[in-house]
Amino acid sequence: DAMVIQNPRYQVTQFGKPVTLSCSQTLNHNVMYWYQQKSSQAPKLLFHYYDKDFNNEADTPDNFQSRRPNTSFCFLDIRSPGLGDAAMYLCATSREQGWEQYFGPGTRLTVT
Amino acid sequence: KQEVTQIPAALSVPEGENLVLNCSFTDSAIYNLQWFRQDPGKGLTSLLLIQSSQREQTSGRLNASLDKSSGRSTLYIAASQPGDSATYLCAVKGNTPLVFGKGTRLSVIA
Repeated sequence: DAMVIQNPRYQVTQFGKPVTLSCSQTLNHNVMYWYQQKSSQAPKLLFHYYDKDFNNEADTPDNFQSRRPNTSFCFLDIRSPGLGDAAMYLCATSREQGWEQYFGPGTRLTVT
Repeated sequence: KQEVTQIPAALSVPEGENLVLNCSFTDSAIYNLQWFRQDPGKGLTSLLLIQSSQREQTSGRLNASLDKSSGRSTLYIAASQPGDSATYLCAVKGNTPLVFGKGTRLSVIA
């Protein structure tokens, strides 16, 4: 089945130790998004790619970076995780901007 | 700035009841509205998407309506089942990225 896949599902990292989260899609969608969701809160968009064009939200900390080496894969890099970065990270795709978004299962990040 | 509110924050109903979840948004200039389901510790599953030109969408026991002028949407769930227990989020797309509400946590009691 076509889908959005996130690896790993659970990630534990140490304070300040760089970590990379992975997202892949078999939908061949043009747009890929990364959201951060903290407990009992709404998902918050960090950034998105339209094809190779990167769009960063104004309030996304510099600590968060992203790479999209090809249509199928997108990575979220957290350069120096702090305790406040512990959250669920959700990847989503859409065929075009403004179209229906399809989400992956998320990666739960714990920072110790 | 678009703001999305979902009331109530939590809802508990006995199995078999029909129920309505509410979503309101402050800026009526939207392209579409999407309803999602989220199980604990999991990602979001898209349930229904309503384009701004549409009034409602139906999928199985779910029916979503949209009144753009008043900034409201409702998700109607018919004959609720324990498996419907989850958090339901609505999100609106306008000129800004998708803006989510905080969700309504639904518990259906057998």
